[in-house]
Amino acid sequence: DGGITQSPKYLFRKEGQNVTLSCEQNLNHDAMYWYRQDPGQGLRLIYYSQIVNDFQKGDIAEGYSVSREKKESFPLTVTSAQKNPTAFYLCASSGTANSPLHFGNGTRLTVT
Amino acid sequence: SQQGEEDPQALSIQEGENATMNCSYKTSINNLQWYRQNSGRGLVHLILIRSNEREKHSGRLRVTLDTSKKSSSLLITASRAADTASYFCATDAVGAQKLVFGQGTRLTINP
Repeated sequence: DGGITQSPKYLFRKEGQNVTLSCEQNLNHDAMYWYRQDPGQGLRLIYYSQIVNDFQKGDIAEGYSVSREKKESFPLTVTSAQKNPTAFYLCASSGTANSPLHFGNGTRLTVT
Repeated sequence: SQQGEEDPQALSIQEGENATMNCSYKTSINNLQWYRQNSGRGLVHLILIRSNEREKHSGRLRVTLDTSKKSSSLLITASRAADTASYFCATDAVGAQKLVFGQGTRLTINP
């Protein structure tokens, strides 16, 4: 089945540690996105990539980094510079920019 | 930058009733999309309506778009317990390269 896989589902880290969230898609989509969702809130865009080896900052990129070395993969690193990293992180992809998004089932990151 | 704002923030109705959620936005759009999110899961795309369309149907879903008022509504008819979820609108603004999501409406269907 085609889709987006995010792993792990739950992640726990100590403050000051970097952590990388995985996102893989087999939909052959060019565009991929990372969103952050806080309890009871909408989605805020962290980074997006419309093509391999290229990505742009979203609305809340500070403290995050990404890479897009392969079409299928768009990992997100939450660095120690991110002041409030505990959140639900969602990865998505689309065939073209702003066509309907396909979402993974998210990674819930808890930093203590 | 929040483009879409949804109303109400929460809605609780009896099974079988209709549920209506509204979305307002600020700038000109190419299209507006509605998504559903079950608790703890990713979002699922429901329906896309283009700026030159006024109404669209998909099963029990009906979406309207009024570009003069910069607003859209999502109607779910004959609601079921399985419709319990959060519903988000997302706008594809003219000149933007990304969708912008609203805060969502939490819908609860009581059996």
